Amino acid sequence: GAGVSQSPRYKVAKRGQDVALRCDPISGHVSLFWYQQALGQGPEFLTYFQNEAQLDKSGLPSDRFFAERPEGSVSTLKIQRTQQEDSAVYLCASSLRASGGASYNEQFFGPGTRLTVL
Amino acid sequence: KQEVTQIPAALSVPEGENLVLNCSFTDSAIYNLQWFRQDPGKGLTSLLLIQSSQREQTSGRLNASLDKSSGRSTLYIAASQPGDSATYLCAVRPDTGRRALTFGSGTRLQVQP
Repeated sequence: GAGVSQSPRYKVAKRGQDVALRCDPISGHVSLFWYQQALGQGPEFLTYFQNEAQLDKSGLPSDRFFAERPEGSVSTLKIQRTQQEDSAVYLCASSLRASGGASYNEQFFGPGTRLTVL
Repeated sequence: KQEVTQIPAALSVPEGENLVLNCSFTDSAIYNLQWFRQDPGKGLTSLLLIQSSQREQTSGRLNASLDKSSGRSTLYIAASQPGDSATYLCAVRPDTGRRALTFGSGTRLQVQP
């Protein structure tokens, strides 16, 4: 089956613009995660959904960042009034469940959206 | 706060060598540890996942071990090939109910033909 897909793959925004990044998880995956990866660094956690419920948003860097997953499938990460420090790769991941054995909680990642804020 | 460190940051080896990548974490209360591969400009590909109750996992030429009490994991790559060139990341999930992974900064591997 298809893996995690993200769109757009690349986004260039002028400072102050709003952007929306989309994630399509693997079909049937309950858990969905967003991470932010700066150049040369490992990904850093932003937020986590279980179905449509946002259970953890402790990693969102400011109130300009907002994520939703209204029907428990596709998710959108929105960044308002973008700043240069928002430039990074935004990665989405999904897992079948949040607990249980390895086959259930292994996280599978999409290709990412590279955001450049000018 | 959990911190994950990967050593070395970069590694260059000739084709055919066996090599070991190291990952250490400060808080041993983990649920699992996952090794990923990342090619330039691409997302992460999961290589191996080790549950906290396990000591090692193997897939082909890859073997990952976990010593939870000492906060260490190693990824062993046998008979390295140029196609193994990539950045290798390890990540831990806490045993606290949180689902988020904490990543190291990765080891950038170059295998010379």
